[in-house]
Amino acid sequence: TQLLEQSPQFLSIQEGENLTVYCNSSSVFSSLQWYRQEPGEGPVLLVTVVTGGEVKKLKRLTFQFGDARKDSSLHITAAQPGDTGLYLCAGQFTGTASKLTFGTGTRLQVTL
Amino acid sequence: NAGVTQTPKFQVLKTGQSMTLQCAQDMNHEYMSWYRQDPGMGLRLIHYSVGAGITDQGEVPNGYNVSRSTTEDFPLRLLSAAPSQTSVYFCATSPRTGTPDTQYFGPGTRLTVL
Repeated sequence: TQLLEQSPQFLSIQEGENLTVYCNSSSVFSSLQWYRQEPGEGPVLLVTVVTGGEVKKLKRLTFQFGDARKDSSLHITAAQPGDTGLYLCAGQFTGTASKLTFGTGTRLQVTL
Repeated sequence: NAGVTQTPKFQVLKTGQSMTLQCAQDMNHEYMSWYRQDPGMGLRLIHYSVGAGITDQGEVPNGYNVSRSTTEDFPLRLLSAAPSQTSVYFCATSPRTGTPDTQYFGPGTRLTVL
């Protein structure tokens, strides 16, 4: 059973545009992570959010954890071709330490 | 420091054949796991281990076996391959510090079962 739904599934935009990716669940997570995966490689961690309402920024990327800790969003400002990749959210339930439940993924393509 | 290594990188099997996907890490991480990645489904947990000698099932364990005799190695065995096991397989490790852990992924093994 897939507990984390991401939207949109695919996104193709031009350089300089802004975008938001959503990660939604009916379950409460103790923490939520965002990973980026490039073709032929494994996912790489971008950020971890722990507190409801928490906002973290990583250069042009802004991550937010929902107040109820059931959802999260990733906003990219002025997208660049280097942002192209598969974005995955992953949640941890309380007491499960390292065990992650991954979202369905959002494939982003940024063109010149 | 190689991090997480996986072999082979590509593999083609016929239905019914068996094989072992290798995963090794040199970071002395306690937690190791195997995921499969299929289009539109993200990563799904197959099996995981919280330390040497301890393994447990994840979301999609059927058709796969694992063992963890050392901290460094966590092989994934397919006893009788089926076309439904065509996928990209990732091994991941984390230090299991008790706080939200970073998972470190290997480069993956692309498996095709004919």
